[in-house]
Amino acid sequence: DTGVSQNPRHKITKRGQNVTFRCDPISEHNRLYWYRQTLGQGPEFLTYFQNEAQLEKSRLLSDRFSAERPKGSFSTLEIQRTEQGDSAMYLCASSSTGPLNYGYTFGSGTRLTVV
Amino acid sequence: DQQVKQNSPSLSVQEGRISILNCDYTNSMFDYFLWYKKYPAEGPTFLISISSIKDKNEDGRFTVFLNKSAKHLSLHIVPSQPGDSAVYFCAASGSARQLTFGSGTQLTVLP
Repeated sequence: DTGVSQNPRHKITKRGQNVTFRCDPISEHNRLYWYRQTLGQGPEFLTYFQNEAQLEKSRLLSDRFSAERPKGSFSTLEIQRTEQGDSAMYLCASSSTGPLNYGYTFGSGTRLTVV
Repeated sequence: DQQVKQNSPSLSVQEGRISILNCDYTNSMFDYFLWYKKYPAEGPTFLISISSIKDKNEDGRFTVFLNKSAKHLSLHIVPSQPGDSAVYFCAASGSARQLTFGSGTQLTVLP
C-alpha cells in the first residue's frame, strides 16, 4: 500500500469553472477526511466519511462544495463555480476507527489556484 | 474562535540542542492531542500523540507533555537535527474524531 493518494497534485482553473479532486485512501481505513489549508494556517476540517456515509460537514463547506465516497472506497471533492477564495491546498486523510494513537495518514494534497 | 493556538510562528535552534514547541487549547472536551510535521509540498506527517489521561508520551527523540490544568502541551525534540527543520502542527480531537489544528511553528535547526 502506497499510502493516501491524491490527484491531481496541482490544478489551475478560471473563476466560475467547476473542479473535481480525487482521493484514494489506505485500503483498510474506513474513515476518510477532507481538509483545506491556506497559507500560514493549519489544516481546517471540511468533511468526513465512515465507509460510504458522510457523517459530518463543516460550516466551511458551502453549497458549492460536494463530496462523495461511493462504495466506501475512493472519494471525490467537487467545487462548483470556483471563486478566488477557494485557492488553497486540499488535503485528504484516512484512518481506521478507534483511538487516535497513530493519527490520520494524510495525502500530499491538491493545490488549487483560481485565477 | 481558535480552539488550538501555536503562538510562536517560528523557532531556531542549534543542532544537538533541545527544541521545545508549545501549544495551547481552550476546549476541555478534547481527549487526544497530536503533533504533525510538514515539509513543503507534502501533506502533514504524524509524529506523536497523547491521550488526555496521560501527561507524557515518549517516542525516541520526541516527547510530548500535556498539562491539562493549564490547557497546554509541548513537544520536545532532543537532540535536534537539521532534518527536523519543518513546520510543526499541534492538533486536538474530541469525540467526533475530527482534528482541530493550530497555525503551525516553523522550526529551523541550524547546523
